[in-house]
Amino acid sequence: GESVGLHLPTLSVQEGDNSIINCAYSNSASDYFIWYKQESGKGPQFIIDIRSNMDKRQGQRVTVLLNKTVKHLSLQIAATQPGDSAVYFCAENRAAGNKLTFGGGTRVLVKP
Amino acid sequence: GAVVSQHPSWVICKSGTSVKIECRSLDFQATTMFWYRQFPKQSLMLMATSNEGSKATYEQGVEKDKFLINHASLTLSTLTVTSAHPEDSSFYICSASQNYGYTFGSGTRLTVV
Repeated sequence: GESVGLHLPTLSVQEGDNSIINCAYSNSASDYFIWYKQESGKGPQFIIDIRSNMDKRQGQRVTVLLNKTVKHLSLQIAATQPGDSAVYFCAENRAAGNKLTFGGGTRVLVKP
Repeated sequence: GAVVSQHPSWVICKSGTSVKIECRSLDFQATTMFWYRQFPKQSLMLMATSNEGSKATYEQGVEKDKFLINHASLTLSTLTVTSAHPEDSSFYICSASQNYGYTFGSGTRLTVV
């Protein structure tokens, strides 16, 4: 079936550098995408979202890019900090209230 | 902001017993709640979608009789793991939906011994 997947399982980044996490999705009907951060033993925490009628959205230190042509989503974290160390998941959904499908996850390790 | 409370945060039970996990939306009414299971170093896998006042919709491969879901009100959904076995040990997470918003609980670590 259609799914959301990630290219990189683990990303090591130096503190202060920028991080880029990628996600590929295969469901062309998806119209809403969300990035989550999950720390060990906790539930997912919302980071940023984007609808399919946009190609870029910025938040505080984070930017999400959506390329519908190649069905690719990315999360950019500026000036990565130790507190950014976690597992990041992308998720996609087709309509309000519908279930979210999660990608495989990328672990970000921030080196001091 | 929207808050979802999930209890207990962890539970240890003996094989063959049942465990109930509660998921409450504290400051909003959730028409839909979702239950996920997450094994170590893996992603969240949707188990079922729960709508208030109706039967839950289970994902393929999830046993309905083993994972009982009740969504009696717009603020409460429960997941009961019946006749638990060690292979049911996992991290269970609920999520409450409000329009396009999804708020997750803090998860329940279930260990079956």
